[in-house]
Amino acid sequence: AQSVTQLDSHVSVSEGTPVLLRCNYSSSYSPSLFWYVQHPNKGLQLLLKYTSAATLVKGINGFEAEFKKSETSFHLTKPSAHMSDAAEYFCVVTPSGGGADGLTFGKGTHLIIQP
Amino acid sequence: GAGVSQTPSNKVTEKGKYVELRCDPISGHTALYWYRQSLGQGPEFLIYFQGTGAADDSGLPNDRFFAVRPEGSVSTLKIQRTERGDSAVYLCASSQGGGLAGISYNEQFFGPGTRLTVL
Repeated sequence: AQSVTQLDSHVSVSEGTPVLLRCNYSSSYSPSLFWYVQHPNKGLQLLLKYTSAATLVKGINGFEAEFKKSETSFHLTKPSAHMSDAAEYFCVVTPSGGGADGLTFGKGTHLIIQP
Repeated sequence: GAGVSQTPSNKVTEKGKYVELRCDPISGHTALYWYRQSLGQGPEFLIYFQGTGAADDSGLPNDRFFAVRPEGSVSTLKIQRTERGDSAVYLCASSQGGGLAGISYNEQFFGPGTRLTVL
C-alpha cells in the first residue's frame, strides 16, 4: 500500500519569493513520485516525476523536487514565485514494483501568490 | 492534437437516477483511468482499462458504479441509483500504455472532468 501526506493545505508567498510545498510518502515498494498542478477549471497537468533515476528532478515552469529516501520526502520547490503559479498542487505516488497503475494523490496544497 | 475530453462538463441529477459520464481519450492511448475528486480532496482512483478490459477496478466504491470501454477507445462511467454522496468531479485520464510504473512510466493526461451534482 502507498500513501502521501501533503503537510500544508494552504501556502501563501509573495511574488518573487521562493516556494516550498512539502510532501511525505509511504510505500511498500520503491515508489515513483510525481507532482501535478491543477489550475481552476483546467485539467491536471504533470509538473515533474521521479522514477528511480536522478534524485533531483527538474520539471516545467521552473519547479524542481528532490527525492530523499531517508526522510521519505519529495518536496516541491521553485526559486521565485510568479502570479501564474497560483493553483492547487498534488503530490502523487504509485508503486514501481508492480500492482495497479492507478495513482494515489495527496489532499493537495493550495498555493496563493501575493502581489 | 486534441487532449482528453469529457462530456458533459456538468451534470445535475436527482437522487436515485441513473447517469452516464463519457470520456474520449487521446487517440492511440491504450490505457484509460477514471478518478473521482470530492470537494477539497485529491483525486481518488476508481478503475483502469488496458484496451477493452478493466485491468483494475479495485477503486470502484460499490456495485452501483460500473465502467465500460467496448472498443478500446471511448469509455463510459455509469452510476446507478445515484446518492448525494456521489457528488464530485469525475476525472478521466489516458496514457500510451500501462505496465509497471517505474520501469516504463507512461504519463497520464487528464481531461477537464465532469462535475456531477446529485440533489
